[in-house]
Amino acid sequence: QQPVQSPQAVILREGEDAVINCSSSKALYSVHWYRQKHGEAPVFLMILLKGGEQKGHDKISASFNEKKQQSSLYLTASQLSYSGTYFCGTELNTGNQFYFGTGTSLTVIP
Amino acid sequence: DAGVIQSPRHEVTEMGQEVTLRCKPISGHDYLFWYRQTMMRGLELLIYFNNNVPIDDSGMPEDRFSAKMPNASFSTLKIQPSEPRDSAVYFCASSFVLAGGLAYNEQFFGPGTRLTVL
Repeated sequence: QQPVQSPQAVILREGEDAVINCSSSKALYSVHWYRQKHGEAPVFLMILLKGGEQKGHDKISASFNEKKQQSSLYLTASQLSYSGTYFCGTELNTGNQFYFGTGTSLTVIP
Repeated sequence: DAGVIQSPRHEVTEMGQEVTLRCKPISGHDYLFWYRQTMMRGLELLIYFNNNVPIDDSGMPEDRFSAKMPNASFSTLKIQPSEPRDSAVYFCASSFVLAGGLAYNEQFFGPGTRLTVL
């Protein structure tokens, strides 16, 4: 039930782009994205509902393909502050079930 | 608002002892979630409440774990008896319902309780 994220870890230089993928084996109603910095709580980034919408704020955006049960998070022109572990969270179509993904560790270096 | 408040922030106990974790959600939020985070298992949803009523406790690992929400501003997660494998960071999160009744909206996490069972 837990969605699988890829890659598990990525190291970027400032200004580079990254894509983090989230894949579920179950039909999804929504996908959430959170970022967690070391020693802190997860912080919400965005929610995507089924319908193939793409959302974004600043240089972080995401897409959701409900037919493929996949979502991707796009980070462009990465900044040092983007470092952390990114989690997708998936709500199933069957309702009342929510699972966080396996996590992707992202490190941005100068 | 002060955000979601959890106490204690750190707890060290010995195997077999009872542990009680506390959470105060953001005022006005309808949903409250308890999560457990470990390196091995990641972030796991243990249980969630809607308007103080437990909706889904399928993530509670075993009968040693119990959770209550006696009112809209307070929830507890109890482990009795505790075991070393319960060592983890426990997060409480709260959320509200958007128009349309989306089950899971943006969740606001508390700072977490780091539990160590010796």
